[in-house]
This record gives sequence, C-alpha cells and structure tokens, in this order.
Amino acid sequence: DGGITQSPKYLFRKEGQNVTLSCEQNLNHDAMYWYRQDPGQGLRLIYYSQIVNDFQKGDIAEGYSVSREKKESFPLTVTSAQKNPTAFYLCASSTPEGLAGGANIQYFGAGTRLSVL
Amino acid sequence: GQQVMQIPQYQHVQEGEDFTTYCNSSTTLSNIQWYKQRPGGHPVFLIQLVKSGEVKKQKRLTFQFGEAKKNSSLHITATQTTDVGTYFCAGLSGRPGGYNKLIFGAGTRLAVHP
Repeated sequence: DGGITQSPKYLFRKEGQNVTLSCEQNLNHDAMYWYRQDPGQGLRLIYYSQIVNDFQKGDIAEGYSVSREKKESFPLTVTSAQKNPTAFYLCASSTPEGLAGGANIQYFGAGTRLSVL
Repeated sequence: GQQVMQIPQYQHVQEGEDFTTYCNSSTTLSNIQWYKQRPGGHPVFLIQLVKSGEVKKQKRLTFQFGEAKKNSSLHITATQTTDVGTYFCAGLSGRPGGYNKLIFGAGTRLAVHP
C-alpha cells in the first residue's frame, strides 16, 4: 500500500527539548517537503529536499533542522530554538517536475500534532 | 516574493446552495492545483490545471484557470455535507533552470448546514 507515513500522530515537547518527527514514503518520489499548519491557517513551507543528501530552507526554517540520508526518509527536528512549536506538521512528497499530466502533485502524510507541555 | 491569495477565508452555506472560492496569484503560473482538507485530516489532491482558460469538472465541482494564468476558481454546485472542509489552491510558477515549488493559498473553509 503506497503512501506517506508520519509518526507519531501526537507529540508533546518539554521546554528546551529537541524532538524529531518521522516521515517515510514508499512512492519512490525524489522530492519531499515539510509544512507547518497553524489552526485555521494555510500551509507554510519549512524545508524541502529535491534529492538525497540535499535540502533547502523554506519560508520558516528557523528553529528546525532536517536530514535526507535516504530517498524514503525525511525526518524533521524541532529544536529548542523554535519558541512557538505548537502546530500541525505535514510531510509531503511530490511527483517529478515535467511529468506529463501530473507534475509536482503533492501527496501528504496524516500529520503530527505537536504541543508544548 | 510570489504570493497566492485566496478568498473568501470562510463560507457558510445551506445544504443545496452553491459555493465558489477564488485564487489569485501575483505572478503568472505554469499550473495550479487544488486540494481539500477535511476537518482533522490532511490535504488531498483534487485536480491540476495547466492550460490558459482551462475548465475541468469533477461531478459537482468545476475548476477554472484564468486566461492570463494568474487566477483560478473552484465552484461547487448544490453543496452537500460531505463537501465540508478547507479548499486550498496551490500555484506553481515556472522558473527555467530553477526549482519550482508550490505556493499555497491560505485556504477557504467551507461549512455546510443541513
């Protein structure tokens, strides 16, 4: 069953703690993304990766870090430097650019809800 | 930088009424996509429009891409309670030689009253 798996579904962070959100995909997509969604808001891009061992900052990268050691995996670490981490975090992967009839279509995981204790 | 504006932010309708959400980009887009997010869920891809003036239909949903490829709309005819959710547009602007990431609008939240 192909798709994107995010874990955990819910996560609680203590002050000063780093936490890591997992994202795994078996769609064989090169590109992967992390978005943050605040209540009633749209999607803001945190980081994206077009290929293994390469990633780029999005619009709100401060306080976050990522790695892309494997094509299937794109974990996100919310560091203690992120002072307002409470949000819904969505991971996505996308179809290739230039794909006829379906370029850059994003497939999302079910998300992780992060709260601060 | 590039922006994608979406209106309205919220829309409440009675079941059976029509609904429309509009999306406007500050720059010309190579394509536009629409996603639906049910309450508590994650965004799910609905459709992609590529051609100037393109119109596509999915049952009661009609999607349009403007002639200038800077605006788009989603129209739902005779809404049902299953249409409840937030509808996002997302624009892709082509930059030769560069990476083209999607820019999401803020979404329109639709509530349908039975």
